Amino acid sequence: AQKVTQAQTEISVVEKEDVTLDCVYETRDTTYYLFWYKQPPSGELVFLIRRNSFDEQNEISGRYSWNFQKSTSSFNFTITASQVVDSAVYFCALSDPNYTGANSKLTFGKGITLSVRP
Amino acid sequence: DTEVTQTPKHLVMGMTNKKSLKCEQHMGHRAMYWYKQKAKKPPELMFVYSYEKLSINESVPSRFSPECPNSSLLNLHLHALQPEDSALYLCASSQRQSSGNTIYFGEGSWLTVV
Repeated sequence: AQKVTQAQTEISVVEKEDVTLDCVYETRDTTYYLFWYKQPPSGELVFLIRRNSFDEQNEISGRYSWNFQKSTSSFNFTITASQVVDSAVYFCALSDPNYTGANSKLTFGKGITLSVRP
Repeated sequence: DTEVTQTPKHLVMGMTNKKSLKCEQHMGHRAMYWYKQKAKKPPELMFVYSYEKLSINESVPSRFSPECPNSSLLNLHLHALQPEDSALYLCASSQRQSSGNTIYFGEGSWLTVV
């Protein structure tokens, strides 16, 4: 069975601080996809990134960066110079490869609530 | 802006009412989803439609009835709900790509059952 662990439940930082959100996953599959989603108070789940299990390159997008390490089954997310608008719940998720075709099934972590104070 | 639109944004209904949640996507995706999310919890999958056919039903009570009129539309019909069904209901869509599927979510419908 697949599992995603986000051990941090709530993080509070002051604006301009860097913050790292941890994600550890468990799967027996060799092919899988990892995701990060952001959920602001409005409710929408905003897609941030998808990472293929075969691609261990780290990725940077503006102030966001992701560190994928298969050796430790981790897919961590760092926000550099945090801003108040980064305040949200962040979910890490793992795809279930048993569902192919157009549909998909995700296993979500419990989410991390990030509060950025001015 | 999200390309998955949901209406209504907020809905309050009594336990004897019949109402519907609506979802529309314009990305040409062939899979559409309903998720339920309770406060401070991750989303839970309810239903998946693939190519307009129901492909996954996560043992959802029959008081929730999905419908997929065409590849762009997805409805969730609600009848005789309970107060514990109050939650955020998220619609989503995806399309298979060689690099993998990504599920895109709408803004959600906040449902309160009184």
